[in-house]
Amino acid sequence: ETGVTQTPRHLVMGMTNKKSLKCEQHLGHNAMYWYKQSAKKPLELMFVYSLEERVENNSVPSRFSPECPNSSHLFLHLHTLQPEDSALYLCASSGPYNEQFFGPGTRLTVL
Amino acid sequence: KNQVEQSPQSLIILEGKNCTLQCNYTVSPFSNLRWYKQDTGRGPVSLTIMTFSENTKSNGRYTATLDADTKQSSLHITASQLSDSASYICVVSPDSNYQLIWGAGTKLIIKP
Repeated sequence: ETGVTQTPRHLVMGMTNKKSLKCEQHLGHNAMYWYKQSAKKPLELMFVYSLEERVENNSVPSRFSPECPNSSHLFLHLHTLQPEDSALYLCASSGPYNEQFFGPGTRLTVL
Repeated sequence: KNQVEQSPQSLIILEGKNCTLQCNYTVSPFSNLRWYKQDTGRGPVSLTIMTFSENTKSNGRYTATLDADTKQSSLHITASQLSDSASYICVVSPDSNYQLIWGAGTKLIIKP
């Protein structure tokens, strides 16, 4: 285990649903990340939080809404998603030197 | 444009054989290069990280090389095992805090 946990591991939702992904890190890191991984594509950075402040927002549609209540927890709130949003969503955290440790991911399917 | 390209896209080898995966990058400035292993349906796990001044680094049966002049890296796997079946991703860090430039990965399959 890397010290980063994600729940749920699998999620199926309709386009009108609202759901949330949760990430927790037990490494004492100050930065946390959300990535999207689609089949055969490089990881896409979505959001970065450092000391609970959002420092990166890579042109992500507003139907994805992150929340970082403290340095150990990160959420990704989902609403009115599209089928093309189906992917593996990965959370990571990093300490010094930006070495990133990843959680196991949430496999999201949007019907 | 900052890019990381990996080859081959996929590779099948027999258990016990060696293999080498390639990574070419056009990232500038350059801070470090990492190799990650990602098992199917799991998050990536770091194998090695190399800075500009390092040209080789080993982690067990994995050996990474870096040629910063030609902007190429390779990952050599020795005496492959079935558990080596995974995607191997090359990642380059520019001189910034959070952005990493990710390759699409090489999918390696080890057959018994």
